[in-house]
Amino acid sequence: EAQVTQNPRYLITVTGKKLTVTCSQNMNHEYMSWYRQDPGLGLRQIYYSMNVEVTDKGDVPEGYKVSRKEKRNFPLILESPSPNQTSLYFCASKDRVTGLVDEQYFGPGTRLTVT
Amino acid sequence: AQSVTQLDSQVPVFEEAPVELRCNYSSSVSVYLFWYVQYPNQGLQLLLKYLSGSTLVKGINGFEAEFNKSQTSFHLRKPSVHISDTAEYFCAVIPDYGGSQGNLIFGKGTKLSVKP
Repeated sequence: EAQVTQNPRYLITVTGKKLTVTCSQNMNHEYMSWYRQDPGLGLRQIYYSMNVEVTDKGDVPEGYKVSRKEKRNFPLILESPSPNQTSLYFCASKDRVTGLVDEQYFGPGTRLTVT
Repeated sequence: AQSVTQLDSQVPVFEEAPVELRCNYSSSVSVYLFWYVQYPNQGLQLLLKYLSGSTLVKGINGFEAEFNKSQTSFHLRKPSVHISDTAEYFCAVIPDYGGSQGNLIFGKGTKLSVKP
């Protein structure tokens, strides 16, 4: 089954404790992206990747890092989480970087709480 | 820069009634338009998209949307809603210009609540 998986689905942590949210897709997609969803703000892009070893900032990259060492994986790293990073996070992927309008497939989301 | 405005944050409606969820966009370049749906505790899935051609596009689950270039709108409609349509709906655009990376720009979402 074609899918984007994220782990963990739920995470409660404390300020300053480094964490990684993993994202993996089995569709051989070149493009991957991370979003955060906050009430009343919709989805905002954090980082995206056009291919292996190619990443770029989205609209709200501060406090986050990403890496793309393999095509299928795109982990999101919070080196020193703060309470304002409490949010619902989504990973997404799509095929054909040159195809602007290819459908993005979303993971199920990771709900992060930073206390 | 591009922006997407969803005019209603919440829309309550009774089952079997028609519904319209409004979306306007602002852009100095052409855009491609999308509606995504997020059911409770799930990720987003594509409902429909407008790329070119006929301005009326049909999507899954009986939804349709009409692109109006002069009003820069892309409103979503369904003639008769079901309880199962209760979800949050997001309008989004991808700008079409030479350097575009194909990133989606989302509106803030509209929560549709269908009551029996």
